[in-house]
Amino acid sequence: GQSLEQPSEVTAVEGAIVQINCTYQTSGFYGLSWYQQHDGGAPTFLSYNALDGLEETGRFSSFLSRSDSYGYLLLQELQMKDSASYFCAVPRREGYSTLTFGKGTMLLVSP
Amino acid sequence: DADVTQTPRNRITKTGKRIMLECSQTKGHDRMYWYRQDPGLGLRLIYYSFDVKDINKGEISDGYSVSRQAQAKFSLSLESAIPNQTALYFCATSDPTRIDEQFFGPGTRLTVL
Repeated sequence: GQSLEQPSEVTAVEGAIVQINCTYQTSGFYGLSWYQQHDGGAPTFLSYNALDGLEETGRFSSFLSRSDSYGYLLLQELQMKDSASYFCAVPRREGYSTLTFGKGTMLLVSP
Repeated sequence: DADVTQTPRNRITKTGKRIMLECSQTKGHDRMYWYRQDPGLGLRLIYYSFDVKDINKGEISDGYSVSRQAQAKFSLSLESAIPNQTALYFCATSDPTRIDEQFFGPGTRLTVL
């Protein structure tokens, strides 16, 4: 089977840097995706890492270590609008058919 | 216009009623998905479809059925709604080579009394 673990909640202040971790267990691995979801809204895709290392997109970066079955999402220069839930997800091993999502990390950014 | 639309956006119904949630997309994707979201449980897959003729059960398909009427339309039905099906339901689409990047509709908030 597959399982993903991420913290349920993280708090930070505006302007700070925050890291949201995700560890996964899967018998086959393609890569790690990250999604953002504002309260009651649609999840939106942020990034996908298939290879080890750090990928940067503006204020957001995502890191993957395949040997450690671990990845993280790094948010810099936090803004109030970054308050949201963040989900990591991995493709299912069978036929690269669907995604399995973690339970999500709620990020609360305070002034 | 939104790429993935869902109707209705909100629905309150009673136990035992049949409910249909509809999803349409203009992205031209073959793959479509239905998810259910409950607080603290993340997104769980109900059904998915590779194309009009290929429909597959997800991890929580019991009590649900689907219909893929066209490439652009994928409907989810609750044949006899029960209170524990109260949840937020999302439809999503993806390119078959990029299932890591899924495009979600705005969601349907369903309450079963």
